[in-house]
Amino acid sequence: EAGVTQFPSHSVIEKGQTVTLRCDPISGHDNLYWYRRVMGKEIKFLLHFVKESKQDESGMPNNRFLAERTGGTYSTLKVQPAELEDSGVYFCASSQRRLHEQYFGPGTRLTVT
Amino acid sequence: AQTVTQSQPEMSVQEAETVTLSCTYDTSESDYYLFWYKQPPSRQMILVIRQEAYKQQNATENRFSVNFQKAAKSFSLKISDSQLGDAAMYFCAYRSADTSYGKLTFGQGTILTVHP
Repeated sequence: EAGVTQFPSHSVIEKGQTVTLRCDPISGHDNLYWYRRVMGKEIKFLLHFVKESKQDESGMPNNRFLAERTGGTYSTLKVQPAELEDSGVYFCASSQRRLHEQYFGPGTRLTVT
Repeated sequence: AQTVTQSQPEMSVQEAETVTLSCTYDTSESDYYLFWYKQPPSRQMILVIRQEAYKQQNATENRFSVNFQKAAKSFSLKISDSQLGDAAMYFCAYRSADTSYGKLTFGQGTILTVHP
C-alpha cells in the first residue's frame, strides 16, 4: 500500500510568487490534514478535510492560503502571493476515520526568498 | 486551547542505555489522546506510541513506554536499550477525543542523538 505522498519535496520561490503544494493521501482515507512547521517551532495545524469538505480550517493563517480537495482524493495548498514568513515545511497527513492514526507524508520544504 | 510543551530541545544517549523525553500539556478536557511521533532525518514522521487518557495503564510498545500522569498533565517517553536507529526528532502530540476534531497539537520537538 502506497503511503502519503507530497509534491514537490522542495520549492524555492521569490516573495510575491505563487506556489502550489500537492498531497496524495492513502487510498480510501477520507480525512486529510495539512500542517506546517516553521523553522525551530512546533508543527501547527492548518486545516482538515473530510472527503472534499473542509471540516476545520481554523489554523489557516490568512487568505493568501487556499486549500482544495478535488473529488475527495488529492489535495492542493496554494500560497498566493508568498511572503517570507511562509517558509517552512508543509506536512500532509491522512487517516481513515477521524480518530484513527494519522499517516504523514514526507513534507514539502518551502523557501521564500 | 490546548498546548503541548517539550522542554528538552536536544537529548543524547549512549547505545543500549535508557533515555526519557519529557512532555507536558495543558487542557481543560477530560478525554483525549496523547502521542509520540518520531521523525528520522529526511524521513517521514511515524507514530511511536499512543495513550488514551481514560486508561490508567501506561502504554508500551516493545522498547518504548510512557509515563502518563494525568493529574500532573505529564506524558514522558522512555526508550530502553537505545539503538542507533532511534536517532530522530521526537514530537509529543495531543488530540481531543471529541469526534468533531481530528487535528493534532504538537510540541516543539526533541532531537535525540544516539552515541555508539
